[in-house]
Amino acid sequence: AQSVAQPEDQVNVAEGNPLTVKCTYSVSGNPYLFWYVQYPNRGLQFLLKYITGDNLVKGSYGFEAEFNKSQTSFHLKKPSALVSDSALYFCAVRDRRRGTDKLIFGTGTRLQVFP
Amino acid sequence: EAGVTQFPSHSVIEKGQTVTLRCDPISGHDNLYWYRRVMGKEIKFLLHFVKESKQDESGMPNNRFLAERTGGTYSTLKVQPAELEDSGVYFCASSQDVWQGGSPLHFGNGTRLTVT
Repeated sequence: AQSVAQPEDQVNVAEGNPLTVKCTYSVSGNPYLFWYVQYPNRGLQFLLKYITGDNLVKGSYGFEAEFNKSQTSFHLKKPSALVSDSALYFCAVRDRRRGTDKLIFGTGTRLQVFP
Repeated sequence: EAGVTQFPSHSVIEKGQTVTLRCDPISGHDNLYWYRRVMGKEIKFLLHFVKESKQDESGMPNNRFLAERTGGTYSTLKVQPAELEDSGVYFCASSQDVWQGGSPLHFGNGTRLTVT
């Protein structure tokens, strides 16, 4: 079955420090991987995706993610965190098996950046 | 370009009542999805429309949930009768392509449903 796991419910980091939000996946075939962010009282916003190509993917707001096939991971990273990055982050894998096309999400990780 | 809009933003109803949620996708997007997040859990897929047809409704919890997309434009999701466990945030999303791969979903702000 296609699935993603976000092992951390919350990540705390000081402003200016690097941040990592972890995600591992389990899929059959080549994975299509996504990160979305949800700010308070807002919908999910697309951050970045991995389909094929370079393992390091760059996205919006200075975020990037590293695809690691051997570890089946797709961790979200940012070199220097901002207080405004505080939000809920969701990792997702696209399930495109015959007859279906949907995103399967993890449980989310709350990122708290302290001044 | 207007984004995906959902109405209402919040709804509080009593157990046994009926609620209808509405989603207007981005104009021209044939694919429309409904998802739900129950407090603290993952965002779960409910169903997928391609134009007016239900492509995949495997995530619909039970027959108290009815989704429609007449004319292939906006969609409604009706819960009748509502139960306590239906509480959560209901998200709608749309996208342009299906099998091209990689097209991100565009989400609405969600409807927070509280059943008391």
